[in-house]
Amino acid sequence: TQLLEQSPQFLSIQEGENLTVYCNSSSVFSSLQWYRQEPGEGPVLLVTVVTGGEVKKLKRLTFQFGDARKDSSLHITAAQPGDTGLYLCAGAYSSASKIIFGSGTRLSIRP
Amino acid sequence: NAGVTQTPKFQVLKTGQSMTLQCAQDMNHNSMYWYRQDPGMGLRLIYYSASEGTTDKGEVPNGYNVSRLNKREFSLRLESAAPSQTSVYFCASSESGNTIYFGEGSWLTVV
Repeated sequence: TQLLEQSPQFLSIQEGENLTVYCNSSSVFSSLQWYRQEPGEGPVLLVTVVTGGEVKKLKRLTFQFGDARKDSSLHITAAQPGDTGLYLCAGAYSSASKIIFGSGTRLSIRP
Repeated sequence: NAGVTQTPKFQVLKTGQSMTLQCAQDMNHNSMYWYRQDPGMGLRLIYYSASEGTTDKGEVPNGYNVSRLNKREFSLRLESAAPSQTSVYFCASSESGNTIYFGEGSWLTVV
């Protein structure tokens, strides 16, 4: 059972479209991180959000942490083929350095 | 700058054999982790170590043991490998639950 649910699991859209990926849990996290993973490699950090309600922007990517620090979203504006990859959210528990990952969203952007 | 180094990169085991995956980090991080990733899926936490001398179970600890040998090294042992343990294993480290840095992964096949 995955404690951190991501949706959708798969997403294939046309270049130029917008998309949102969601990460939800019943647990409260001290921080939530988003990673992107290419085939054959380890995940690479995109952003960390720490404060409830926090919004961070990274070029065309916008990340939001829910007010209750249980959920997060990743919005991509004007998607490009280079955005193709596996996107993972990860929640950190405050007490013991435990970090769990979501089930992943596999994103494919068609030219 | 090596970061997180894990060995071996590839391994084929027969059912019932044992093996140890080695991991070392040179970033002086307190926390270390072992995750497994099945094809197209997110990462699932096997065990983690919040600091030298402590280890804790993650989401899927059954069939595995770990040793935090010192601050740098965190090994994962499969005592009696099963086909269900065929996966990619990632070692990672962080400074007390902040950004995770991953090794390159170990591809394990149990036949």
